[in-house]
Amino acid sequence: DGGITQSPKYLFRKEGQNVTLSCEQNLNHDAMYWYRQDPGQGLRLIYYSQIVNDFQKGDIAEGYSVSREKKESFPLTVTSAQKNPTAFYLCASLGRTTYGYTFGSGTRLTVV
Amino acid sequence: AQSVAQPEDQVNVAEGNPLTVKCTYSVSGNPYLFWYVQYPNRGLQFLLKYITGDNLVKGSYGFEAEFNKSQTSFHLKKPSALVSDSALYFCAVRPEGGSYIPTFGRGTSLIVHP
Repeated sequence: DGGITQSPKYLFRKEGQNVTLSCEQNLNHDAMYWYRQDPGQGLRLIYYSQIVNDFQKGDIAEGYSVSREKKESFPLTVTSAQKNPTAFYLCASLGRTTYGYTFGSGTRLTVV
Repeated sequence: AQSVAQPEDQVNVAEGNPLTVKCTYSVSGNPYLFWYVQYPNRGLQFLLKYITGDNLVKGSYGFEAEFNKSQTSFHLKKPSALVSDSALYFCAVRPEGGSYIPTFGRGTSLIVHP
């Protein structure tokens, strides 16, 4: 079945470390997105990419970085510059003939 | 700029009663409107969308939503709530043209009591 796979499901990070969250899709979708979800704040856009080798900052890009070397993959790195990284991270994709997003199952990142 | 308002943080309803989760929006031009549901520690699942056509849209799990252009609303409804409907519900909007980036509401927690 086609879908989006996020891994790992749970991730623990020490202060000062960079961590990378994986997002892979086999839907042949062009566009991919990263959102951060905090309780009571809805979804906030971190980065998005509408084509391979191109990506744009969202509303809260500071302290995060991404790459889009392959259509199927859009990894997110949470750097040590992100002061409050504990959150639930969601990856999504959108195809040219679809109207709504397809979401992955999320990664919960906790700073320890 | 586009925006979505979900005025209720939480909606409580008894099982078997009808439910409504409210959503109002602001967007330039014609709106594309969406409802998603999220269960704990899971991603968002698509419920239904309004693109064009009938103002009453039917979706998954018996949910429906009514598009009201004059009131810029897109309320989610279900005639008879189930305990298993308890979850977090998100409304989203994006314009017909331009960027494909939707704006999400803050979410409404639906609690269905047995």
